[in-house]
Amino acid sequence: KNEVEQSPQNLTAQEGEFITINCSYSVGISALHWLQQHPGGGIVSLFMLSSGKKKHGRLIATINIQEKHSSLHITASHPRDSAVYICAAPAYSGGGADGLTFGKGTHLIIQP
Amino acid sequence: IAGITQAPTSQILAAGRRMTLRCTQDMRHNAMYWYRQDLGLGLRLIHYSNTAGTTGKGEVPDGYSVSRANTDDFPLTLASAVPSQTSVYFCASRPSGGAGTQYFGPGTRLTVL
Repeated sequence: KNEVEQSPQNLTAQEGEFITINCSYSVGISALHWLQQHPGGGIVSLFMLSSGKKKHGRLIATINIQEKHSSLHITASHPRDSAVYICAAPAYSGGGADGLTFGKGTHLIIQP
Repeated sequence: IAGITQAPTSQILAAGRRMTLRCTQDMRHNAMYWYRQDLGLGLRLIHYSNTAGTTGKGEVPDGYSVSRANTDDFPLTLASAVPSQTSVYFCASRPSGGAGTQYFGPGTRLTVL
């Protein structure tokens, strides 16, 4: 079974700072997911990536399949980026037909 | 409706009672999942279904059962609730059992006393 580790668990930064959240996993996979959960609970998928880099607005996700490592970056951070960011990988090797296993999340607070 | 709906939004339940959490999606996704989210433990998979008529056990299936009679609905039943099942439950779906973005429902907050 895949084990997913995230760091840091908590991160407080000032508005405008560059943010990096790291994720590592133990079993080879076809794609890794980054999710966002705002206070109040809704979970939204930010990225699903299997190689290289993806960018959406100020969010950038990278993955190194050989190293079994992914990073989520936020450029020019803003208080509205405050949320829990969760990394997830297929529970077993392959595509994840049998569900995802999740990191414990990174609680990000951006102060004005 | 659009996307995934869950019902109820929240519930307080006496221990020993039976409870069914409902999940419905209108995206015709084949794969559906039930997760629970607990402080300090994160999200964990309870049960999954890759297509109507099939189900599988996840990481924490004990005390829970599911059925998948059709594509749209994936109810989760607690046959006899216990306080350790106090949690927030999320239903999710994705287009196929393989790779693909998962879409999450809004969650059900369940308290078992």
